[in-house]
Amino acid sequence: DTGVSQNPRHKITKRGQNVTFRCDPISEHNRLYWYRQTLGQGPEFLTYFQNEAQLEKSRLLSDRFSAERPKGSFSTLEIQRTEQGDSAMYLCASSLGTGGAEAFFGQGTRLTVV
Amino acid sequence: GNSVTQMEGPVTLSEEAFLTINCTYTATGYPSLFWYVQYPGEGLQLLLKATKADDKGSNKGFEATYRKETTSFHLEKGSVQVSDSAVYFCALDPNTGNQFYFGTGTSLTVIP
Repeated sequence: DTGVSQNPRHKITKRGQNVTFRCDPISEHNRLYWYRQTLGQGPEFLTYFQNEAQLEKSRLLSDRFSAERPKGSFSTLEIQRTEQGDSAMYLCASSLGTGGAEAFFGQGTRLTVV
Repeated sequence: GNSVTQMEGPVTLSEEAFLTINCTYTATGYPSLFWYVQYPGEGLQLLLKATKADDKGSNKGFEATYRKETTSFHLEKGSVQVSDSAVYFCALDPNTGNQFYFGTGTSLTVIP
C-alpha cells in the first residue's frame, strides 16, 4: 500500500492552455474523489467515481472540467482553457466505500495559472 | 442538506495548553464524522473518526465524541505540543458514499 499518488505535484500554465492531472488511488479502493482546495478554505468537492462510473459532479465542475477513471483504476482530471480562477490545489482521495470508511488523500497537484 | 461548521481560527496556544476546536454539523440521516489534519507542506491525513452517536474517536492524544443531540464533534487535546501545529479539518460523510463535506479548517500554532 503506497497510498494515493498524484502527478504532477506542481503545474504552472498559461491562461487558455489545457492541463491534465493524474491520480493513482490505493489499489483496492473502489471509490475515488476529486476535490479543490484554495488558500484558507476546506476541500471543495468536484466529482466522485465508484469504480469506473462517475456518479456525481459538483456544480463547481464547469464544462471546462472533465474527469475519467478508465477501468476503475487511475483517474485523470482535465481542465480546458484554463483561467486564473482555476489556480488551486487539486486533491484526489480514495476510499473502500464501506460505512464509515475514511478517505485517503494524495498530496495534491498545485495549479498556478498565469 | 449536509454541512460542517468549524470554529474560526487561527488559534495560538502555548505548549502543554488545553485545546478545543469546535465543530458542528447538519446532516440528513446518520453520518460518520472525521477530523483530518494537514501539516505544513503535506496532504490531508485522518486524525480520528466516529461512525455513530456517542462514539469517541481518539488518536495521538486527541479525542472527539459524536454528539447527536447537539450535532457536534468537538476536537480536544489535554496538552498540545509544538508538533501539533497544523490545520485541522472537521468532515462529514453522510454515508450515501458520494462525497465528504469539509469545514473551512482551523489553523493551530503551538509556541514553546
